[in-house]
Amino acid sequence: DGGITQSPKYLFRKEGQNVTLSCEQNLNHDAMYWYRQDPGQGLRLIYYSQIVNDFQKGDIAEGYSVSREKKESFPLTVTSAQKNPTAFYLCASRGRREGSSYNEQFFGPGTRLTVL
Amino acid sequence: GNSVTQMEGPVTLSEEAFLTINCTYTATGYPSLFWYVQYPGEGLQLLLKATKADDKGSNKGFEATYRKETTSFHLEKGSVQVSDSAVYFCALGSGTYKYIFGTGTRLKVLA
Repeated sequence: DGGITQSPKYLFRKEGQNVTLSCEQNLNHDAMYWYRQDPGQGLRLIYYSQIVNDFQKGDIAEGYSVSREKKESFPLTVTSAQKNPTAFYLCASRGRREGSSYNEQFFGPGTRLTVL
Repeated sequence: GNSVTQMEGPVTLSEEAFLTINCTYTATGYPSLFWYVQYPGEGLQLLLKATKADDKGSNKGFEATYRKETTSFHLEKGSVQVSDSAVYFCALGSGTYKYIFGTGTRLKVLA
């Protein structure tokens, strides 16, 4: 089945450590996204990538970094510079469902990061 | 800039009650509008969408109509079930690669 996978589902790190969250898709989509979700604040865009080897900052990019070396992979690194990294992180890709004429976002199951 | 405003929750209903979750938007041009649903501990799933004015999106008994004159895309369901308990997000896609999400509305349905 085609889809987006994120791993791990739960991640714990000590304060001051960098941590990388994995996101893989086999939907052959060009565009991929990282969102952060906090209670009562909805989804906030961290970074997005329209195509391989290219990415743009979203609304809350400070303290995060990404890479897009392969079409199917878009890892997110939460650096020690991120002041409040504990959150639920969602990865998404953009493309067309089979038989559809419009683009939509497809989401992974998310990674809950807790910094101790 | 573009924005989405949806009603705050939580919304608590009895089973078989009528549901409305309000969503209004601000956008330039002709955006596409979406409703996503998120079950506990999971990612978002597309519930329904509308790509132009007066379109009605529908899925699993849920409906929403794209009203350009009132810049609204309210989500409705005639008879909710306990299994509908989730967080619902209204979203806007403006043709660029960026999407704007509302803050989410938590729905709790009691048996």
